[in-house]
Amino acid sequence: EAGVTQFPSHSVIEKGQTVTLRCDPISGHDNLYWYRRVMGKEIKFLLHFVKESKQDESGMPNNRFLAERTGGTYSTLKVQPAELEDSGVYFCASSQGQKFSPLHFGNGTRLTVT
Amino acid sequence: AQTVTQSQPEMSVQEAETVTLSCTYDTSENNYYLFWYKQPPSRQMILVIRQEAYKQQNATENRFSVNFQKAAKSFSLKISDSQLGDTAMYFCAFGFNDYKLSFGAGTTVTVRA
Repeated sequence: EAGVTQFPSHSVIEKGQTVTLRCDPISGHDNLYWYRRVMGKEIKFLLHFVKESKQDESGMPNNRFLAERTGGTYSTLKVQPAELEDSGVYFCASSQGQKFSPLHFGNGTRLTVT
Repeated sequence: AQTVTQSQPEMSVQEAETVTLSCTYDTSENNYYLFWYKQPPSRQMILVIRQEAYKQQNATENRFSVNFQKAAKSFSLKISDSQLGDTAMYFCAFGFNDYKLSFGAGTTVTVRA
């Protein structure tokens, strides 16, 4: 089966610009997660979708971040306007229905805001 | 919020030898899950091993085993007979009642030939 795919793999933008990250989960996985790792620090949870619904978005840093999962398939994470502290690696993961079933991660998108 | 601490940013081990990665966590909960994930260079993060807190027996997966000390809130990972393909960053993670995981900062393991 195809794994979790994230696009782009790298993005370099200037402060104030907009960037949209995309994640295609494994087909049939209802759960989709976004996590972020800021340089050298722990990976932090951003949000969790169950199909097209946001189940938990408690980790979203602020209202400059907007995540969507239209139709319950792929998801996008938009940052607008980007700030320097948004730099990091953004991971997407998907899993099947059971709680704590293994997460399948994408390769991540490395975002650099200059 | 649960916190997960990995106190070793980097570790190096000779091929075929054993290395142990430490992980401690802070929680007041009794039933939870602990995980070790591995991210090889330029590759996807994958699950290495998983432990359920209500199980006293330590989990093992081939050359990977854990030492789960619930009272001490410690969850170390032992890699036996290290192989070059074990070179990766290893993340310890904690999960409780909801679906989200709390991760540590990671330990970079380098296996030397």
